[in-house]
Amino acid sequence: NAGVTQTPKFQVLKTGQSMTLQCAQDMNHEYMSWYRQDPGMGLRLIHYSVGAGITDQGEVPNGYNVSRSTTEDFPLRLLSAAPSQTSVYFCASRYSGRTYEQYFGPGTRLTVT
Amino acid sequence: AQTVTQSQPEMSVQEAETVTLSCTYDTSENNYYLFWYKQPPSRQMILVIRQEAYKQQNATENRFSVNFQKAAKSFSLKISDSQLGDTAMYFCAFMKGLNRDDKIIFGKGTRLHILP
Repeated sequence: NAGVTQTPKFQVLKTGQSMTLQCAQDMNHEYMSWYRQDPGMGLRLIHYSVGAGITDQGEVPNGYNVSRSTTEDFPLRLLSAAPSQTSVYFCASRYSGRTYEQYFGPGTRLTVT
Repeated sequence: AQTVTQSQPEMSVQEAETVTLSCTYDTSENNYYLFWYKQPPSRQMILVIRQEAYKQQNATENRFSVNFQKAAKSFSLKISDSQLGDTAMYFCAFMKGLNRDDKIIFGKGTRLHILP
């Protein structure tokens, strides 16, 4: 198993550009989520999904879109990047309803200039 | 809404010493899960230890143990015989339950430095 994979690992964007952060898992997990990590702020939940076709907002959803067309993939889209979106982004997944253990991807460091 | 508070942004201890990281949380739930995650410089999130609220016994994993005080809503992490490899950011986290949409909520973290 590859676990949770994220691409790219690093990205630099200019203000106003769009991009998609990719996240995939091969563990057949129903629950997937995106967090952002900022210094002194911990990990904050952006969006999450409890299964294909079902997504919902977390604590800090503004400026981000998600979709879940398959169980394996959960991409995060920035439609018009802003400097405030400079952060490290983590994707995570787990079985929902059965276990507490959450698996994290390696993270994507995004810089918006 | 549940909240998790870590009051120590940064700590330093000498190698081989014992260190305790503090965490408090707020919830109206009776059954829930608490976690400590470690994030070393590699950025990978590693689950260190977990505690189920319905269990009175404090969880232990080798050199890591917790002091779970349910009434006080306190969940501290003790690292015994600290090692240089324990240098990392540590996050306390809370999860309400195992329902399909229950989320993990993180504290702001404590950066721990183990000094040689």
